[in-house]
Amino acid sequence: GEDVEQSLFLSVREGDSSVINCTYTDSSSTYLYWYKQEPGAGLQLLTYIFSNMDMKQDQRLTVLLNKKDKHLSLRIADTQTGDSAIYFCAESSGTGGFKTIFGAGTRLFVKA
Amino acid sequence: EAQVTQNPRYLITVTGKKLTVTCSQNMNHEYMSWYRQDPGLGLRQIYYSMNVEVTDKGDVPEGYKVSRKEKRNFPLILESPSPNQTSLYFCASSPGAGVNNEQFFGPGTRLTVL
Repeated sequence: GEDVEQSLFLSVREGDSSVINCTYTDSSSTYLYWYKQEPGAGLQLLTYIFSNMDMKQDQRLTVLLNKKDKHLSLRIADTQTGDSAIYFCAESSGTGGFKTIFGAGTRLFVKA
Repeated sequence: EAQVTQNPRYLITVTGKKLTVTCSQNMNHEYMSWYRQDPGLGLRQIYYSMNVEVTDKGDVPEGYKVSRKEKRNFPLILESPSPNQTSLYFCASSPGAGVNNEQFFGPGTRLTVL
């Protein structure tokens, strides 16, 4: 079945850029998402990209999509301690159904 | 305030004792879903509902039931809980097809089955 994979941990220094990577297997994916989960809370949508786009930028966030390699990345510029959280990559075929596949989550540690 | 609420937030129970976790959304969303979150496994979908009286299995439906009698509510029922259902459960809702399928998550219910 469909799968989404991402590394489990990433540690960066405050002020550096963070890059979180994700690979997925479903070639019919329509939307790809990055969700953020802060301690003790539910997930919150950070950003998303439609599958016919290569890049999306939103303030400090840059999403890159390589559809050929089924690779998605999230870059956070000028990473702050408040960015410490778990980041989930997810994909949806968006065909009117509600099947969204999530990765295991990458825990980002930001050192002051 | 637009939100998804879940109750209870924490629950400790014993094997075999039926329980229900409630989920309610006030955004008039068509789609609702239940996930469980386990370390190293991310979120796995249990059941989802595309509208009232329309439900379908996700990836890990065994041991769970759901119902969708009203648009706003989507309870998760464990008829005979077992220790392997100890997990963190999230309910989510989404406006429906035609938009980006963004899901809005509840705060989570931490369930321990002894």
